[in-house]
Amino acid sequence: KAGVTQTPRYLIKTRGQQVTLSCSPISGHRSVSWYQQTPGQGLQFLFEYFSETQRNKGNFPGRFSGRQFSNSRSEMNVSTLELGDSALYLCASSLKQTGANVLTFGAGSRLTVL
Amino acid sequence: AQTVTQSQPEMSVQEAETVTLSCTYDTSESNYYLFWYKQPPSRQMILVIRQEAYKQQNATENRFSVNFQKAAKSFSLKISDSQLGDTAMYFCAFMKPVTGANSKLTFGKGITLSVRP
Repeated sequence: KAGVTQTPRYLIKTRGQQVTLSCSPISGHRSVSWYQQTPGQGLQFLFEYFSETQRNKGNFPGRFSGRQFSNSRSEMNVSTLELGDSALYLCASSLKQTGANVLTFGAGSRLTVL
Repeated sequence: AQTVTQSQPEMSVQEAETVTLSCTYDTSESNYYLFWYKQPPSRQMILVIRQEAYKQQNATENRFSVNFQKAAKSFSLKISDSQLGDTAMYFCAFMKPVTGANSKLTFGKGITLSVRP
């Protein structure tokens, strides 16, 4: 079955712009989470959605937002981009919300802010 | 808050040999889960192995096994018969189970493993 699909894979933006990233989870997975990966800060949790509701949020400014649709697809948005937002953004989906939840990751969207 | 520490930034191993990657964590929780994820140059994160803290038996997945020492808060990964395809960055991760929200992983900084032919 198809894995987690993230689009676009690569994008370049300039400071002050906004960006929307998309994530389609594995069919049947209802939980979607987002992570930011940078060389300096490593992998950091952004937020988590389940049944169209945000269930958990990491320590990021309000410029970072997300949503989940009824088909479990998720988008994340970053407004007023800063140079420091350049990163690999990873989306992960999972089947359940309890237990040793195994996350399946997408290939990521690499954002470069100039 | 939980923290995960991977103190070795890089390691190298000869093909077919065994290597152990170290990870320590800090938490006040008694119930939690630990994971090792692999990120090859393609950047796709892949689950290697997982361990439930309430299980004393160390997890094993083919050539991969862990040494879980709960009291010492240590969770090392042993890779036996290393293969060239094992070359990747390896991340140790911690998850605290939360009712209704179970997708927050706290990652270590990662270790770059190179397997030499």
